[in-house]
Parts: sequence; structure tokens; C-alpha cells
Amino acid sequence: SQQGEEDPQALSIQEGENATMNCSYKTSINNLQWYRQNSGRGLVHLILIRSNEREKHSGRLRVTLDTSKKSSSLLITASRAADTASYFCATDEYNFNKFYFGSGTKLNVKP
Amino acid sequence: EPEVTQTPSHQVTQMGQEVILRCVPISNHLYFYWYRQILGQKVEFLVSFYNNEISEKSEIFDDQFSVERPDGSNFTLKIRSTKLEDSAMYFCASRADLGTGELFFGEGSRLTVL
Repeated sequence: SQQGEEDPQALSIQEGENATMNCSYKTSINNLQWYRQNSGRGLVHLILIRSNEREKHSGRLRVTLDTSKKSSSLLITASRAADTASYFCATDEYNFNKFYFGSGTKLNVKP
Repeated sequence: EPEVTQTPSHQVTQMGQEVILRCVPISNHLYFYWYRQILGQKVEFLVSFYNNEISEKSEIFDDQFSVERPDGSNFTLKIRSTKLEDSAMYFCASRADLGTGELFFGEGSRLTVL
């Protein structure tokens, strides 16, 4: 694996429920970012958390970062059918121009 | 809103042929990237580029691959002799800042090698 893994690989929930995705990584990082990908499309940036931050919010998104465990989580609250997509964490490696993506979580939100 | 554009959106080629995928990054961005995604799988880092040279490359980016910024706007990925396993979506991305900036992605070029 180039960087880390995400779990679960797939998640199916009902509209209105919360969705939690987890990401683990391997190296020292400047920041960790979450991206969304609709099927067959490019990736779109959602939120960035710096290595010295522990939690960040943006709208219905909440991200946590634990650098001691090299892990992060993304919580989407009050999910909507339109949130159906794949979600990837990405690590911005310290001192290198490398940007690795995790394996992704496929989220299906049923109306 | 500024965007990264990629051409072609889909290319079909015969094994052994050369392919060039083109990208126009956002105009004030300095850092450029190519990624590959085999259908339904993870997004794999290929190469990063800054100041007209490769910054980092992965083990996937072997001698069959090359990148170039031939002018002030285009950023290209060349595959010299395509193999069946090169079939994938190829994404170009750019960003303004190293270490703090988000990546902006194009919509991808789908390469099918027959």
C-alpha cells in the first residue's frame, strides 16, 4: 500500500443517519485531507486538518486526527442521498512533495 | 471558478502504442501531479512535478512513463509503450502551495489498452 487504509471499505446507511469513516496512515504528515469522488469523476476536496489540530468542523463534516495513532476519522452527520460517493483520506507527507490517498470508503445513503 | 482540464476524456489504444495524456492545471498553481485509478480501486500516486522537474515518483512510474511541461500551461503524461495493465483512469491535479494547499483535480482521462 502506498500509504494507508480506510475502513470500512463500504458503508450503507439510511438518509438522516450519521456516517463515520476511518483512515490510517504510515508516515509523518503536514496535514491530512478528505476528498470525495462521485462515480467516474474527479476527486473534490472536502476538508483539511493540520498535523497540530485534533478536530475540525465544516458544515455537516467533522474530522478528527490522532497523530500518535496515525489515524483520522470523518463523520458526516444527517446524511443525504446526495452524499452517496467514495470518500478518500489523503496525507500530505512532511518534507516531500508526495500526496497519498487511502483505499477509500464507498458510502451508499439510501433515501 | 478555475479548474483543471484534461484531454482526451477517453482514449482507446493498442498495446505497445505510445499515449500522451494532456492536462491544463490552474494557472497560478506551481505543483502538479498525476494519479492513476484502476476501475473501482484506490487512487495511486504516480508523480509530482515542480519547477520544471520531477519532485517525487512512485514505483509505478517506471521508464515507460514520462512527464513534461512543454509550455506555460500544459502538463503531459506520456506512456511510451502501453501495456494492458495500463488501462485505468488517469487524473491530473495541481495546487498552489506545498504542505498547506488542497489538490484540485481534473475529471480524468480514461485509457483503454486493447
